[in-house]
This record gives sequence, C-alpha cells and structure tokens, in this order.
Amino acid sequence: GPKVLQIPSHQIIDMGQMVTLNCDPVSNHLYFYWYKQILGQQMEFLVNFYNGKVMEKSKLFKDQFSVERPDGSYFTLKIQPTALEDSAVYFCASSWGGDSDYTFGSGTRLLVI
Amino acid sequence: GEQVEQLPSILRVQEGSSASINCSYEDSASNYFPWYKQEPGENPKLIIDIRSNMERKQIQELIVLLDKKAKRFSLHITDTQPGDSAMYFCAASSTGGNNKLTFGQGTVLSVIP
Repeated sequence: GPKVLQIPSHQIIDMGQMVTLNCDPVSNHLYFYWYKQILGQQMEFLVNFYNGKVMEKSKLFKDQFSVERPDGSYFTLKIQPTALEDSAVYFCASSWGGDSDYTFGSGTRLLVI
Repeated sequence: GEQVEQLPSILRVQEGSSASINCSYEDSASNYFPWYKQEPGENPKLIIDIRSNMERKQIQELIVLLDKKAKRFSLHITDTQPGDSAMYFCAASSTGGNNKLTFGQGTVLSVIP
C-alpha cells in the first residue's frame, strides 16, 4: 500500500545543535502529523498540519520545534536547539481527510548526546 | 484534552486462546477508535478500527467492541498465534478535533507456544 517515507532513519546529534527530520507523506494526503515515542511508551501527539498551517500543537511541541512543508516537498520537523530529552523516535503520519485513518512512517530514531 | 487508559500493560496467553485488551476514554466527542500493532523497531500498523456508529466489528480473528455509554472499547484476538506477539495500542480521536489521535499506554502481548 501507499507509504510514508522518513529520512533519516537514525540521527545522532550533539546537544544544542539543530536537526531536521524529513517526511514524504502519501502523495494525495492532505493532513500531516508528527508524534513522539519514547522507548516502551505510547506515541504522543506533537502537531498536525493542513493547508500550509499548523492546526493544533501539544504542550510537547516546545518553542524550539517548528514544522513546514515548503511547496509540496518534504514535511519537516526542525528542532533548534536540541536537548537531551528530545531523544526519542519521531513518527510522521499522513491522512487524506480530517476524519480518516493514518498512514505512519517508519520513524526517525533521534539520539541527542 | 482526551485521555485514553489501556489495560493490561502486559498480557501473556497460551497459543490458541483468546486475548482481550481494554481501553477507556474521557471525551464524549471522540468518535473514531483505531487499534495499532507495533513490532519492535517498527512503525505502528493499523489492524482494525471502529467508528461511533457501530458497536461491534470483526476482521478475521480480530473483534472490536465499543460501548459509547460507558466510554469503553476493547480488542479481542481469538485463536492467538505466536505471530500475534507484539505491542498493541488503542487510540481515540474526534473528527471535530483535527483528527488528533490520543493513544493508550500500550499492551505487550506474548503468545506462548
């Protein structure tokens, strides 16, 4: 079936540096999401994005986080600067509509050292 | 915001028996309830879902039940196989809530041969 691609699959970065996580959503999907999963725990909503705008963000979506999807290219999550507690797996997802099921990507495993 | 509670956190069953996972939610506006299976190091995969216009749905060995009055929903896996061993997450969302999924804490299911 259709897939959401996430690049890179793994990233190790020094605390304080910037990191950009890239997501290539399913081609005809209109809604995009980022979730954060710490090892052994559930996924937690960070942000959703539609029509070029953030629709809703959670309290986990700190001021150091930003998202964009310039001109239909990758949907990106940028963290600047990174902190140790940002270490987690970040899952991108997309859906066709605002009431339809998601397709999740394979995740980016981020380690901040 | 929505809160989803999931129990049990760990479930061990004998191959061929049934496994049941229970979830409860708080927001009466929630109307979409998916279940995800996540294998170690993999992304979550949708296995079955139910919307609020239904009380029961079955796909092969998977049965989901929804009790809107009690704000509870459950997943039942009949005739479990070793390949069913994984982490399972329930989730809830509201179509009026930007399609944001709130996940339960997860259940680690082990099917013993």
